[in-house]
Amino acid sequence: GQQLNQSPQSMFIQEGEDVSMNCTSSSIFNTWLWYKQDPGEGPVLLIALYKAGELTSNGRLTAQFGITRKDSFLNISASIPSDVGIYFCAGPHGPNRDDKIIFGKGTRLHILP
Amino acid sequence: GAVVSQHPSWVICKSGTSVKIECRSLDFQATTMFWYRQFPKQSLMLMATSNEGSKATYEQGVEKDKFLINHASLTLSTLTVTSAHPEDSSFYICSARSGGAIDTQYFGPGTRLTVL
Repeated sequence: GQQLNQSPQSMFIQEGEDVSMNCTSSSIFNTWLWYKQDPGEGPVLLIALYKAGELTSNGRLTAQFGITRKDSFLNISASIPSDVGIYFCAGPHGPNRDDKIIFGKGTRLHILP
Repeated sequence: GAVVSQHPSWVICKSGTSVKIECRSLDFQATTMFWYRQFPKQSLMLMATSNEGSKATYEQGVEKDKFLINHASLTLSTLTVTSAHPEDSSFYICSARSGGAIDTQYFGPGTRLTVL
């Protein structure tokens, strides 16, 4: 079945640094979703991408839907302590936007003091 | 954005008891809700899809008689863990599909279940 591969698995950065993480799949996705999960909380939707090549920003976050439809990246600029958490990419498990969503294994972001 | 609540936020129970978790969409109607479980340091694993007014669709390997799902209204779905055992201890998260022009899923804050 479809799988989402996220990299890196974890990142250790200094406050103020920019962050880049990506998500790839062996099959095509028609929607890419990026979520952030804080400890003990449910995931929160950060950015939704619906069209190949689409580049969307949400504050310091920018995400792009790859042209091949098999990848997406998320960038965070000028990281701050509250950016710490797990970032998941996700997408519908099928050709339709309302198919059930599958998740990557996540990228854990740590900010060094 | 859309708001989804869960109750309780955490629960501790004895082995053999049943536990009910509620998921509500507070400011929108959700014809479809989803139930996930998440073990420590792992990703979310879909357990079942809950459709209002019909039976839930369970993922492979999830026991439907153990994890009872009821979606009685457009704003409420419940998950009952029957005869809970320590291996059922996990973080259970629901989500609700918003529908409309921008159809996506919004997640609840999760319920931490600990079975002693």
